Amino acid sequence: GDSVTQMEGPVTLSEEAFLTINCTYTATGYPSLFWYVQYPGEGLQLLLKATKADDKGSNKGFEATYRKETTSFHLEKGSVQVSDSAVYFCALSRIGNEKLTFGTGTRLTIIP
Amino acid sequence: EAGVVQSPRYKIIEKKQPVAFWCNPISGHNTLYWYRQNLGQGPELLIRYENEEAVDDSQLPKDRFSAERLKGVDSTLKIQPAELGDSAVYLCASSSEWVEKLFFGSGTQLSVL
Repeated sequence: GDSVTQMEGPVTLSEEAFLTINCTYTATGYPSLFWYVQYPGEGLQLLLKATKADDKGSNKGFEATYRKETTSFHLEKGSVQVSDSAVYFCALSRIGNEKLTFGTGTRLTIIP
Repeated sequence: EAGVVQSPRYKIIEKKQPVAFWCNPISGHNTLYWYRQNLGQGPELLIRYENEEAVDDSQLPKDRFSAERLKGVDSTLKIQPAELGDSAVYLCASSSEWVEKLFFGSGTQLSVL
């Protein structure tokens, strides 16, 4: 079945550091890939997405590239801020299976 | 635009008691999802509605869980009787663009003692 594997957390970084959160997936066919973010006390919200190989999703300074050859969708940001502290979830969906399959989430804490 | 509204925010019950969660999706969103998120895990789908119809309930433990979405708007998820293993956060989400963009509520955190 479909599955998403994320790097273990928690991750703690200093402000302005470079961020990478690894995500790999297993799925048949060509899934769409997503990153969702959950800020403290709030619901999950879509951060970015990519729907086909080599697509790059971007939002709020975050980027992720759909790599079919490595079945990966790593999240990156060049300079993190304290306000980026949250839990980040990688997820996938497939055509004909209208649901999201999530990874376990990675808690990110940015210290000033 | 109001987001997805869930209530209650927290619920503490004893095992074998019934419990119900309520969700009001974003206006105009035909698709509604209930997810369960166990501690330290990602959300897992319980049931998906298209308007009033439950189109995917394969992951819903039907011996104790039930759900309804009357008039294709609000939805209620019920557990009866609750077990210790049901302690989790229950998330409601809605969408107007299939699964490409889901809007989640803040969830109901259930603790079964």
